[in-house]
Formats: sequence, structure tokens, C-alpha cells
Amino acid sequence: DAKTTQPPSMDCAEGRAANLPCNHSTISGNEYVYWYRQIHSQGPQYIIHGLKNNETNEMASLIITEDRKSSTLILPHATLRDTAVYYCIVRVAALGTASKLTFGTGTRLQVTL
Amino acid sequence: NAGVMQNPRHLVRRRGQEARLRCSPMKGHSHVYWYRQLPEEGLKFMVYLQKENIIDESGMPKERFSAEFPKEGPSILRIQQVVRGDSAAYFCASSQDGRGNGYTFGSGTRLTVV
Repeated sequence: DAKTTQPPSMDCAEGRAANLPCNHSTISGNEYVYWYRQIHSQGPQYIIHGLKNNETNEMASLIITEDRKSSTLILPHATLRDTAVYYCIVRVAALGTASKLTFGTGTRLQVTL
Repeated sequence: NAGVMQNPRHLVRRRGQEARLRCSPMKGHSHVYWYRQLPEEGLKFMVYLQKENIIDESGMPKERFSAEFPKEGPSILRIQQVVRGDSAAYFCASSQDGRGNGYTFGSGTRLTVV
């Protein structure tokens, strides 16, 4: 799985958009970008994933650059409950041993009043 | 759907004892994954199992650790002769297929070795 690079921490004011960047310059053509978050010692929570097109769901939007070497997770209106560590993971979505997720150190997002 | 259930939530063991951590996957999920998170660190993959089979154990320590996922019942992560360095949060995840899409994690078991 390709290695990812994320800033260790970010702050965001409540109600504003939180934009979390991720670099994955060695990504392969068949690797997806996944985002998970972990809220204070709970189990990680799936947020969104994509291959090359931008994606949006009820939680967030995922913007992937055209060369796929970086992406940005956007929380459009951050709330205090979005305070968490956000992990960007790049992996092949295929059967068998590729199913494991390789977590880095993530970005600790602090949402403030 | 109750989600991925892990128990116990907290487990305290003395050095040298055995620890058994249980994971019941989501209904309909036949793939189970175990991860370990040391304090202030990210999650580390340990083992991936499908019913009665170990698919990938590349993250499992070579000694004292074992995992199973029997045909009936929960998946078990077993740690024999625990040491202080085994103190960590152990998370289980399940998925419907081996692609890992739709991974769902449990709330974890926090093991403390005293």
C-alpha cells in the first residue's frame, strides 16, 4: 500500500469547513483513497473513499487531484463532535491479503468554539 | 443490527496470565480483522481471518499471540503469558467481503497488564 503524509494537527472553528490534506505521491492506478476517523479512543469510523473522481456523502466530500498524488477531505460545517484523529489510507480494494488497512499517524483535528 | 461487538471493554491481567479478547462481527460479515493500538500511536494490523481460516497473519507477533474464528461463535484473540508491553487497545473490524469495503470497527478492548 502507498504511503501517505498528513499534517499532525489542525484547528478549525465550529461551523467552518475543515479541509484535511493528504499526500500520496506513490499511489498506484488501482489504489483507492480511504478516510477514517477515530474519536477519542473509540473504534475507527469509515468516512468516505474514492478512486479518481470526487466523492460526496452525508459526512464529507473527498477531492482527489487529477494526478491522484494528493487529496483533501472536506467537512463542510465542522462541529465539536468532529474533533478526532483523521486517517488517510491508500490501498487496493481487492480480495485477500490486500484487505488490511495501514494506518499512519493521521491528523488530529481540533474543532473549537 | 448491533454492529461489531467486542468484549470485554476493559481487561486487566497480571504478568504471565492469559488474555482472551472476543469479537462478534456484524451480521452477515464473514471476514474479521484484528488491530492493536499502543498508547499515542496509530492502529497496527495484526491478523485477518475468514470463517475457520487465517488469511493473513503478517502483523501477529511470532510468539504468545494466536487468533481463531470458528464456524460458530465469535473470533478470539488470545495472548498467552502477557507482558506489560501487551497493554494496548485491541480493535476488531469486520467486512462482508474480502475487499474490505464497508469495514466496521468495534469499540475495542483495552488490555492493561499489571
